[in-house]
Amino acid sequence: QVQLVESGGGVVQPGRSLRLSCAASGFIFNSYTMHWVRQAPGKGLEWVAVISNDGNNKYYADSVKGRLTISRDNSKNTLYLQMNSLRAEDTAIYYCARELWGYEILTGFDYWGQGTLVTVSS
Amino acid sequence: DIVMTQTPLSLSVTPGQPASISCKSSQSLLHSDGKTYLYWYLQKPGQSPQLLIYEVSNRFSGVPDRFSGSGSGTDFTLKISRVEAEDVGVYFCMQCIDLPLTFGGGTKVEIK
Repeated sequence: QVQLVESGGGVVQPGRSLRLSCAASGFIFNSYTMHWVRQAPGKGLEWVAVISNDGNNKYYADSVKGRLTISRDNSKNTLYLQMNSLRAEDTAIYYCARELWGYEILTGFDYWGQGTLVTVSS
Repeated sequence: DIVMTQTPLSLSVTPGQPASISCKSSQSLLHSDGKTYLYWYLQKPGQSPQLLIYEVSNRFSGVPDRFSGSGSGTDFTLKISRVEAEDVGVYFCMQCIDLPLTFGGGTKVEIK
């Protein structure tokens, strides 16, 4: 069955960096567009970034552009989110999510990971 | 950015009774390909969101038929025909017609 397992979250000081990972299994990873979505504590959902199945196309929310970078290693079935220059407002649970219709983009998410919590605090 | 507005903010429902959630978008979600890119998710307490409905009215695999979606253009509705205890959580709508993808603020459903 489809599994997405995030890791790499933790407590980090403002201005520092963190890299999140999302290990995928149960499907052909390189056939799917992948996303990161975040949820601040007690708040709603915010889309963060998307990467095409081949890694060649990436798009970001304005709030993270220039600071967060999405990438993937299809040989390792893993999605990444490199987070630099972190701010307090980046504090959230970060979920990876799979595109509903494979290599398409903008077709919604079907499966989500369980999330990893990032806390930015001094 | 497309703004998604959900109502009500919360809903308290007696088991076996129906429930309805509204979602309105600031722009039409009808694409030139003929599809309408509106999705519904349920986030149960302590869990990640799960897909219920895609493209307005299509139930995702394994979703009970008591869930149904309807609407067009900018106005959409999620209906639960007979609420069960396992349906508690926060329901979100989401648009996928344009980046950035945006979500409604959520509707919390609880059981009376």
